[in-house]
Amino acid sequence: VQLVESGGVVVQPGGSLRLSCAASGFIFDDYSMHWVRQAPGKGLEWVSVITWDGDSTYYADSVKGRFTISRDNSKNSLYLQMNSLKTEDTALYFCAKDISAGYRYLDHWGQGTLVTVSS
Amino acid sequence: EIVLTQSPVTLSLSPGERATLSCRASQSVGSYLGWYQRKPGQAPRLLIYDASNRATGIPARFSGSGSGTDFTLTISSLEPEDFAVYYCQQRYDWPWTFGQGTKVEVK
Repeated sequence: VQLVESGGVVVQPGGSLRLSCAASGFIFDDYSMHWVRQAPGKGLEWVSVITWDGDSTYYADSVKGRFTISRDNSKNSLYLQMNSLKTEDTALYFCAKDISAGYRYLDHWGQGTLVTVSS
Repeated sequence: EIVLTQSPVTLSLSPGERATLSCRASQSVGSYLGWYQRKPGQAPRLLIYDASNRATGIPARFSGSGSGTDFTLTISSLEPEDFAVYYCQQRYDWPWTFGQGTKVEVK
């Protein structure tokens, strides 16, 4: 199993960004996928989940209405569209695979991509 | 949202000692609690799921217990590679939440 995130850059407050996660080594459309972040010096914060078929999504209150999770099973890819970015969104963003097609636990994680929101 | 409070914040122990980490939930999460290990520069690693089940490939020295609001992760005899930060996580209700972490450091 390999998960490789990309798209992290320095962006100004109020800006937008799209993160990507390329998955390999497993049957991508058999599993739900998540985004989790870790701000500098802080703990882990769950961000969002999408089911195997993309039909259901959930978000942390801190990003609801600003972030959108999506997936393209034909490309084995997961995405996170981030709008109206705030300085508190600065973090290392991880893509993670659920152990199921539903919502259980995160058994494989990428190395993360760093998003910095700063003027 | 469900708040998970981990204690202690830091645990200073020597290799070979037993580590006992606590996670308390602000409301019952049943058995829907997991534990993760995080080392600097590495991706988090799932250790325990549903309170007491070891994930694939996790050594038997790691064990989890508890239900409702009080949970424990025990490392029976610390190996050098076990010094890390440990997080609990609940999947009982949305949004999923993590505890703030317990750092297990070398004494």
